[in-house]
Amino acid sequence: GAGVSQSPSNKVTEKGKDVELRCDPISGHTALYWYRQSLGQGLEFLIYFQGNSAPDKSGLPSDRFSAERTGGSVSTLTIQRTQQEDSAVYLCASSLWSRQLVTQYFGPGTRLTVL
Amino acid sequence: GESVGLHLPTLSVQEGDNSIINCAYSNSASDYFIWYKQESGKGPQFIIDIRSNMDKRQGQRVTVLLNKTVKHLSLQIAATQPGDSAVYFCAEGDYDKVIFGPGTSLSVIP
Repeated sequence: GAGVSQSPSNKVTEKGKDVELRCDPISGHTALYWYRQSLGQGLEFLIYFQGNSAPDKSGLPSDRFSAERTGGSVSTLTIQRTQQEDSAVYLCASSLWSRQLVTQYFGPGTRLTVL
Repeated sequence: GESVGLHLPTLSVQEGDNSIINCAYSNSASDYFIWYKQESGKGPQFIIDIRSNMDKRQGQRVTVLLNKTVKHLSLQIAATQPGDSAVYFCAEGDYDKVIFGPGTSLSVIP
């Protein structure tokens, strides 16, 4: 499809396990963002990638969270030693050229439940 | 710190009426403001945006108003329909970072 896709759509894991969440941005979009959304809450910025520049990791809540973007396209958000407070919907967005204040296009999200 | 917030967390309107969702922002240097709509189980979807050099912008059934004097942003939806039921987020942007407000839940009464 032409939109942002994320996988899996749902992930249930046990406390202490590691999880990987995947984002496929819109082809040609150079900027990619990860957000976290807790139930009934707004969007919490996590990390931002722009082209080959160093990512803006200022929103990552702890060192258990990391993300990479390979080949300027697909991104993976990894959460190590998951905790129950990590349960949330993780949203990915991409945009064509961030310096032009253009629209971010969101994927459907991955709902993570940590038991 | 800087923040974007909404006056009303929930809003119920009668089908056919106009809806107004309000938003306050605190960063006077923000150059770009966006409204997103998020339906249940989906990611946010862009509705309309406005730059700081404008005070009004219209789309299809939606109008965004920006009052920089009081740092206030509003989204007006004309002839609200059941399909408009969703959570609406305002956001302020400064180049490559967008800060989202907490959201307002809009319920349309048939």
